[in-house]
Amino acid sequence: DVKVTQSSRYLVKRTGEKVFLECVQDMDHENMFWYRQDPGLGLRLIYFSYDVKMKEKGDIPEGYSVSREKKERFSLILESASTNQTSMYLCASRRAGARGEKLFFGSGTQLSVL
Amino acid sequence: AQSVTQPDIHITVSEGASLELRCNYSYGATPYLFWYVQSPGQGLQLLLKYFSGDTLVQGIKGFEAEFKRSQSSFNLRKPSVHWSDAAEYFCAVGEGGNKLTFGTGTQLKVEL
Repeated sequence: DVKVTQSSRYLVKRTGEKVFLECVQDMDHENMFWYRQDPGLGLRLIYFSYDVKMKEKGDIPEGYSVSREKKERFSLILESASTNQTSMYLCASRRAGARGEKLFFGSGTQLSVL
Repeated sequence: AQSVTQPDIHITVSEGASLELRCNYSYGATPYLFWYVQSPGQGLQLLLKYFSGDTLVQGIKGFEAEFKRSQSSFNLRKPSVHWSDAAEYFCAVGEGGNKLTFGTGTQLKVEL
């Protein structure tokens, strides 16, 4: 079965800490995405990567960066965590090509910044 | 810019009743439209998608959706809801390139 795995289900960090959220997919997908999910706001795209070492900003990239050194792994980095970054973070992947390709999602990381 | 509106934040239906979840989109060209479902504690799973052809599309778990260009709508339906359908449902529209814009979601509660 295809899988997108996020390293932590729950994470608690302190304000100002550097935070790494890891995502691994086993489907050899070219495209990978990081979304943030907040009640009443739905999913908002933070960053996506269309290939190794390639990235593009999404709708809300401020305060975040990403790294994709290997095809299967896409990391989201909070350089200096703040309380307004408390949220559910979802990683997704899909094959490159037509925009009709479906996304495969991980189960999410609930991050609390205290 | 593209956008997606799901006007119903919460919907409650009785088990066995029919269901319709509304979705309206704003997009200049021919849209790619999706419905995803998120069960508690899970990531999102694709229910169905539309990009061309027959405007009534069938998906998994007995769901269907109808694309109506004149109304800019892509409503999700199910004739008889099961308790296991309780979840959050997201409509999404895909633009050129890699971007997918999601609606704010509709939380479905099923009463037994």
